[in-house]
Amino acid sequence: DSGVTQTPKHLITATGQRVTLRCSPRSGDLSVYWYQQSLDQGLQFLIQYYNGEERAKGNILERFSAQQFPDLHSELNLSSLELGDSALYFCASSVGTGSSLTEGGYTFGSGTRLTVV
Amino acid sequence: GQNIDQPTEMTATEGAIVQINCTYQTSGFNGLFWYQQHAGEAPTFLSYNVLDGLEEKGRFSSFLSRSKGYSYLLLKELQMKDSASYLCAVRDSVPHSGSARQLTFGSGTQLTVLP
Repeated sequence: DSGVTQTPKHLITATGQRVTLRCSPRSGDLSVYWYQQSLDQGLQFLIQYYNGEERAKGNILERFSAQQFPDLHSELNLSSLELGDSALYFCASSVGTGSSLTEGGYTFGSGTRLTVV
Repeated sequence: GQNIDQPTEMTATEGAIVQINCTYQTSGFNGLFWYQQHAGEAPTFLSYNVLDGLEEKGRFSSFLSRSKGYSYLLLKELQMKDSASYLCAVRDSVPHSGSARQLTFGSGTQLTVLP
């Protein structure tokens, strides 16, 4: 157990629907990162939150949004789902913002496998 | 921008040594990481290099040359359980996000260990 908790583990939904993925970071970590990993694709950075505020945005679609709550858990909302959104969605956490050389890497959750049919 | 290249696949024999190379072009370099990922599972942290040279951790070692934009992961005494994807990741700056940093991952090298 990495300490990063993601729910649900699996999700099957129809095109056009909306889903919410949830992530609780490791205790003491203030940053949460969301990544998408499609079949045979690398991990694509979506968005980062640090202590409740959006810190950095990657290749996140406008149909997707996220937030981090006061208790530091984060939710990724995916709407108007398309078949191509089927992927593994990983949440990762770290202590800081990643700007310090002494800061280590991210700890990943076990992911949510989203299947859009 | 970021560009990270690593071989798509490699095969090696149990007990052997394998070296997985990674080259990168990036801005605001702030460290290079190696992760291991078994199919359908979360990536797990292996090593971190921020200065040039070799970092050794048991059967795994990682090397970095910042001037050449080059790193490698060395796996010794290969075991069957080492069959996995190995991801090279660079921590660098995020465009239009001030001092924020993020990990950019390569596509991964799928290592198959044969008996």
